Amino acid sequence: GENVEQHPSTLSVQEGDSAVIKCTYSDSASNYFPWYKQELGKRPQLIIDIRSNVGEKKDQRIAVTLNKTAKHFSLHITETQPEDSAVYFCAASSSSGSARQLTFGSGTQLTVLP
Amino acid sequence: DGGITQSPKYLFRKEGQNVTLSCEQNLNHDAMYWYRQDPGQGLRLIYYSQIVNDFQKGDIAEGYSVSREKKESFPLTVTSAQKNPTAFYLCASSKIGLGETQYFGPGTRLLVL
Repeated sequence: GENVEQHPSTLSVQEGDSAVIKCTYSDSASNYFPWYKQELGKRPQLIIDIRSNVGEKKDQRIAVTLNKTAKHFSLHITETQPEDSAVYFCAASSSSGSARQLTFGSGTQLTVLP
Repeated sequence: DGGITQSPKYLFRKEGQNVTLSCEQNLNHDAMYWYRQDPGQGLRLIYYSQIVNDFQKGDIAEGYSVSREKKESFPLTVTSAQKNPTAFYLCASSKIGLGETQYFGPGTRLLVL
């Protein structure tokens, strides 16, 4: 089955700096890669996703890049703000039948220092 | 994601007891999922369902059971066979298709007395 590794497990940055979180996956059939943000005690919420036919996707301060050959993808947050502090999860999915099974990374605790 | 509700918010289980976690959605989604979240770990898939009266095991199904009698509802039972049930349980739902977002409920925290 799919295995997703996520690094680093914790990341502290100064407000205004950039943050980068990296994930690798094992199943070359994976074709969908979402990123979720989870604040303490809250539900995970999708912040950005990318399909395997695209190398990069950007949404305001957030971008995701995908390298299919190396089987890794990264989340980039620019101009970080205190409200970006949360746990971020990457995930990978290869559709099996119709339902999409997501395999999650172990999460990165991002702290943005004022 | 406000269309997915889970209850209760906190649940206490005594040893040997089965407990049931509720998940309801009004988003008209065909697919529903149950995940378990432990501290310092990502979400792990317990069960998922694509259609009423059908469901599939995920990576950690042992000690759990589900039913899907209605499209809107996907309850999870944590049985006495699950020896380490303390965790945060998240239900999710989605449309079926490539790139369809999974929306999560607010979660149920299960604690063992």
